[in-house]
Amino acid sequence: NAGVMQNPRHLVRRRGQEARLRCSPMKGHSHVYWYRQLPEEGLKFMVYLQKENIIDESGMPKERFSAEFPKEGPSILRIQQVVRGDSAAYFCASSPTDEQFFGPGTRLTVL
Amino acid sequence: QQQVKQSPQSLIVQKGGISIINCAYENTAFDYFPWYQQFPGKGPALLIAIRPDVSEKKEGRFTISFNKSAKQFSLHIMDSQPGDSATYFCAASFMAGTASKLTFGTGTRLQVTL
Repeated sequence: NAGVMQNPRHLVRRRGQEARLRCSPMKGHSHVYWYRQLPEEGLKFMVYLQKENIIDESGMPKERFSAEFPKEGPSILRIQQVVRGDSAAYFCASSPTDEQFFGPGTRLTVL
Repeated sequence: QQQVKQSPQSLIVQKGGISIINCAYENTAFDYFPWYQQFPGKGPALLIAIRPDVSEKKEGRFTISFNKSAKQFSLHIMDSQPGDSATYFCAASFMAGTASKLTFGTGTRLQVTL
């Protein structure tokens, strides 16, 4: 059983560009979460999704950030018009219930 | 109300010693408390977790102690090894047994020396 997969592992964008981060949950897991980790800090919750539904987006910045988990395909975290402060590691986790299993993360660098 | 406070920020332990990391929470509605281990450049890996109906849970060299009245829980690593050198995060969530977001502590960087 493959673990949570994220791609790309590293992403470099210039200010003003768009970043798309993808996450494929573990087989059989219907819950997907996105977290952000700034350097030398803990993980901060961003959004929780189930298939075709956003369940909790209380940690998402109000502008430029969006997430989806379509019926088919991976979950996508989209950051529009990136700024340097968006540079961070973005982790996806999936769960069957309360145990969350994390992917390897996408490290976003904004130049 | 949503915070989880973790200490110490960093910890150096000799090989064979006991590593102890502490966390405290404010919201009494939290009822699921996992610990994660993270190596540099990797994602967090679930290590061990506890629910408040028990005061202690042990898995191999790793033990969680839970004090519901004090709203505190701790991770003990017995016989610490250099391979345990990593960053450890405590976390908490609501509604054990169902899906819910995790609130993380700020992490403890553990170094186990020879």
